[in-house]
Amino acid sequence: EPEVTQTPSHQVTQMGQEVILRCVPISNHLYFYWYRQILGQKVEFLVSFYNNEISEKSEIFDDQFSVERPDGSNFTLKIRSTKLEDSAMYFCASSEAPLTSGVGDEQFFGPGTRLTVL
Amino acid sequence: DQQVKQNSPSLSVQEGRISILNCDYTNSMFDYFLWYKKYPAEGPTFLISISSIKDKNEDGRFTVFLNKSAKHLSLHIVPSQPGDSAVYFCAARPLTDKLIFGTGTRLQVFP
Repeated sequence: EPEVTQTPSHQVTQMGQEVILRCVPISNHLYFYWYRQILGQKVEFLVSFYNNEISEKSEIFDDQFSVERPDGSNFTLKIRSTKLEDSAMYFCASSEAPLTSGVGDEQFFGPGTRLTVL
Repeated sequence: DQQVKQNSPSLSVQEGRISILNCDYTNSMFDYFLWYKKYPAEGPTFLISISSIKDKNEDGRFTVFLNKSAKHLSLHIVPSQPGDSAVYFCAARPLTDKLIFGTGTRLQVFP
């Protein structure tokens, strides 16, 4: 069964450093998302991406964050200058169609990357 | 921001019995609701969904009920199995493609 993959599974970085989290969505999916879950809190939406553009972003997704689809398979989340409060589990998700289409709209999640900022 | 609330952080149920997980929401503009299951060290896995124009959707052992007037939905699992032990998240869609999640309920099914 096709699945979303994410690398690395765990990333440790120093405050102020840049990190890039990588995701390979399911191959025929066109809509991509990043969510995060701070330990003990709910899963929060960060950004959605379609046709090489950001469709929607939350207030968490400030200028320190960026997303990119550098080739036909990868989808990346970059944090330019990490802060302690960026420590969280980051989930990538993809869907065949947008949720609003009502068809094939299930979002498939990857296993997550645990980011620890020291 | 408490638009989607799961007030029970944990639930313990005997194998073979019914598990009922509850979720409340505050935004009447939500038009689609989903339940996800999450095992440790894995991402959320889609279970079942329901449109706001329906009040029930069933898929095998899983049934979701929606009460729009009460802004409440529930997930019923019957019969419960030990493999169902996981964290269950309720999520809602606010007319866009993002999902708003609840805090989750940890279900433990014991023999």
